[in-house]
Parts: sequence; structure tokens; C-alpha cells
Amino acid sequence: DIQMTQSPSTLSASVGDRVTMICRASQNIHKWVAWYQQRPGEAPNLLINKASNLESGVPSRFSGSGSETEFTLTISSLQPDDFATYYCQQYNSSPYNFGQGTTLEVK
Amino acid sequence: VSLQESGPGLVRPSETLSLTCTVSGGSVKDGSLYWSWIRQSPGGGLDWIGYVFYNGRTSYNPSFKSRVVLLVDTSKNQLSLSLSSVTAVDTAVYYCVRSAYDKYFDVWGQGARVTVSS
Repeated sequence: DIQMTQSPSTLSASVGDRVTMICRASQNIHKWVAWYQQRPGEAPNLLINKASNLESGVPSRFSGSGSETEFTLTISSLQPDDFATYYCQQYNSSPYNFGQGTTLEVK
Repeated sequence: VSLQESGPGLVRPSETLSLTCTVSGGSVKDGSLYWSWIRQSPGGGLDWIGYVFYNGRTSYNPSFKSRVVLLVDTSKNQLSLSLSSVTAVDTAVYYCVRSAYDKYFDVWGQGARVTVSS
């Protein structure tokens, strides 16, 4: 199985900050990674597929990059709605595992 | 399209957890789509359980394979999950989700909270 490891577990930031979080895969997954945002009490919401493709309706302040085993999700200027937990997920091969999440909290 | 999970919120240990997902605004017979179940434990971790295709073909996470059955009912436009021999570890929110051939999940149900307890 491919393991996904996210860092940091918690990220403290302020509105307007630029933040980056990392997701590492235990083996080469090319660009087959997706990113999700989850607010408390809600289901996860797909933000990005194939490492860098922004889903329709997702604000352009979100961006993804990376390939093979290292991937990043960047939010260019944090907005109040962005304080949430973010998960990466690999879909290179079954089982389609998720990272343990990065929680973005208010500094 | 929207997905809605339903089923008992409390299951006894060693029994079978059964959930249904009703698909609205789309068809489970769409041959370009796959229907998965994902659960989220109280600690937050997300686990993909498996998927079912419109023709009944399934793929399961080996971690669940011996205990899980996923079915599709095209006449009712519904999906179902059965997880047998449950323990407290199976306490989670269970989501019904949609994907295409590339297995990232673009539509999620609101989730069904299931507690395993005597």
C-alpha cells in the first residue's frame, strides 16, 4: 500500500498569510494526488486533482504542485473561510489512501 | 447530483453495520462513474473502504475485504454497504462518494454517523 504523510499536522497562520503544506507519498505516484478541504461538521470538499488541477469553483488563491513523491498545497492569501483541515489522497493505485491531515488554525 | 446516506446510528458489537446511499440528480447506471464508501474515524482519519460499479463489479480495500459487501440497486438508484463483525473501531462517519475512472472523489454525501456499542 502507498502511505501518504502530511506535514505539519497543525499550521498556525493569520488572515492574509501565504501558507504551504506538504504531502509525501511512500512511493512514486506521478501526479495522481488530490487535495480536499474539510470544515468542522462537513464532508470533505475536493479542491485539486492531478496535483495541480483546480476544481471548478475553487478560488484561485489555492494552488497545488509536485510530482512523484512530494506535493504541496499553497494558499496565497488566507481568508477566514480557509481555516479548516486539509487532506491529500493518492489515486495511483488501490487502496486509495489519504494523509492524516493538516489543520490550519488561527494564530 | 447529491448523495444521502441512511441507516442505524447504533450497532451492537459483532453485528453487521448496514447503510444505504440514495443518489439524486444522477444515475448509478452511468458507466463512467464509480461509487465508493469512505469512513472517517473520530480521530479524523479517512479510510477508503471500496467501490462498486453499476454492473456490480467491486473493489475492496484489503483492510476491510473479509468483512465488507458493497452492492448497487439500479432500480432504486441506491448503493449499500454491509460491514460484518463490527467492533468499537468501526465507530465512524460513513460517507458515500462518487468518482470517475480516476479515483479522486468529487461528490460526497453528508455522512452517516455510526456508533458501535452495546
